[in-house]
Amino acid sequence: DVKVTQSSRYLVKRTGEKVFLECVQDMDHENMFWYRQDPGLGLRLIYFSYDVKMKEKGDIPEGYSVSREKKERFSLILESASTNQTSMYLCASRPGLGINGYTFGSGTRLTVV
Amino acid sequence: ILNVEQSPQSLHVQEGDSTNFTCSFPSSNFYALHWYRWETAKSPEALFVMTLNGDEKKKGRISATLNTKEGYSYLYIKGSQPEDSATYLCAARDSSYKLIFGSGTRLLVRP
Repeated sequence: DVKVTQSSRYLVKRTGEKVFLECVQDMDHENMFWYRQDPGLGLRLIYFSYDVKMKEKGDIPEGYSVSREKKERFSLILESASTNQTSMYLCASRPGLGINGYTFGSGTRLTVV
Repeated sequence: ILNVEQSPQSLHVQEGDSTNFTCSFPSSNFYALHWYRWETAKSPEALFVMTLNGDEKKKGRISATLNTKEGYSYLYIKGSQPEDSATYLCAARDSSYKLIFGSGTRLLVRP
């Protein structure tokens, strides 16, 4: 069973902390994505990576950075967590070519206090 | 940047009812349209990916249509069951790698 695994289901962090959200996929997918989901707003793209060491800003990259050192792992970094980054974070991956749906992780609900 | 809109925002139906919801997107620069089902505490699950005008896809009691010229897609559920309760997400892709999601339709099917 192919998977996208997010390291934590729930996280509580303090304002100002540096936070790492990890995502690992076992499908050899080239493309990986980080979204956040907030009530009434749907999924919004933070960053994506179309291959190892490649990254591009999505629609709401402020306050975030990413790392893709290996093909299977895409990390989202909150440099200095703030309360407005309290949200559900979803990681997804897809093959680089063709018309394919995304495979999503189960999400990390982050609360910043 | 694409703007994807879904309606209604939420929907309550009785078991056995058939229902449908709408996704609208800009028709210019269109590449693909995705539908996902997202059940509580689970990962969003891909239902359909459609690219061609007039495409119709079916998966059990769920089907979808696509009109790329006017920029809309319909998702239909025939004979709704309680296990169909979920948020249904639509997402559109232009020629870039990015999918832009709508805010979803939350479906609740009462037994």
